[in-house]
Parts: sequence; structure tokens; C-alpha cells
Amino acid sequence: EAGVTQFPSHSVIEKGQTVTLRCDPISGHDNLYWYRRVMGKEIKFLLHFVKESKQDESGMPNNRFLAERTGGTYSTLKVQPAELEDSGVYFCASSRLTGDHGYTFGSGTRLTVV
Amino acid sequence: KNEVEQSPQNLTAQEGEFITINCSYSVGISALHWLQQHPGGGIVSLFMLSSGKKKHGRLIATINIQEKHSSLHITASHPRDSAVYICAVRFYNNDMRFGAGTRLTVKP
Repeated sequence: EAGVTQFPSHSVIEKGQTVTLRCDPISGHDNLYWYRRVMGKEIKFLLHFVKESKQDESGMPNNRFLAERTGGTYSTLKVQPAELEDSGVYFCASSRLTGDHGYTFGSGTRLTVV
Repeated sequence: KNEVEQSPQNLTAQEGEFITINCSYSVGISALHWLQQHPGGGIVSLFMLSSGKKKHGRLIATINIQEKHSSLHITASHPRDSAVYICAVRFYNNDMRFGAGTRLTVKP
């Protein structure tokens, strides 16, 4: 099966601009998670979708971040307007809703805000 | 409180050495993952454990549920094993937390 796909793999934008990250989970994986790792810190949870619904968005840092998962398939994470501290690697992971909860991670999007 | 602690933070080894990375967590979990992050940034899931021990090639992961502790071992380490190794724990409330990572450098 195809893995979790994220794009772009890298993005460099100026402060104040908008960036949209995309995650395509494995087909059939209803759980979709967004995480990020900012420089020098551990990976932090951002939010969790179950199908198209936001199950938990307690990790979203502020209202400049907007995540969507229309139709319960791929998800987007928009940052608007981007700030310098948003720089980091944004990861997406997916898993099935039931059974062995193995997570599959995407390779991440490295976001640099200058 | 859901917490994950990893040690050591940094580890340098000579090629061929046996390596151990440790992970401790605070309360009961449903699963523990060992992840590998290479310099390019991508994350690869190495193991998912809920009990016992798993082996894949030169990598071995163990978990002791009673002691709330897991270890990742690398036998006959090689420079290509150099990466950041991350312990990630899913607690029973579905909260998933990550350790700070162990940066491993294996020198030839």
C-alpha cells in the first residue's frame, strides 16, 4: 500500500505569507494526526481527525493555524499569516480506526519562515 | 500527567558498538513506538510495542509494562544508523506524546 504522503517536502516563505501543507493518508485510515517539531524541541501534537471530524485540536498553537479534512480523505494545514516561530517540520500520521493501532508517518514538510 | 522521558539526549559510538536508548513514561499506555528521524527530516516507524520484545535486523525493542520502561538496542552499530531516535507513547486516553529524542552518531 502507498504510504502517507506529504507535500510540499520543503517550503520557504516570508513572514506574513500564507502556506498550505497537505497530507494524504493511507487509504482506509480514518485517523489522521498532525504534529510538528520546531528547532531543538520534541515533536508536539497539533490535532487529530477521525474521518472529516476534528476529534482533538488541543495542540493547535493559535488561530493562525487552520486544518481541514474535507470528505475524510486528505487533510490540509494552513498557516496564515506565517510567523518566524512557525518554522519547523510538520508531520502527518494516519492509522486505522480499530484494531492494531499502528501509525504510519509521512516524511514531513520542512517549513522555513524568513 | 502523561509524560515521556528519553535518555540519553546525545550518544556517540564507534562503529560496531552495542547501543541502548531508553524511554520511560509516567502512566499506563496502550502502545509505544520507536521512530527514527534522519537528517533530511523524514520519520520512519521502527517498532510499535504493547508488550514483550520485537526484533528487526540489528534493531531490538523491549518494553516492561510494570516498570513503564522501554529500550531500543542496536547491535553492531554502523555509521548509517546515525539519526535521531524518538520514543512516542499513546496513553489510554489516546493522547500521544513524544520523547525529546536521542541524537545518535556512529563514527567509523
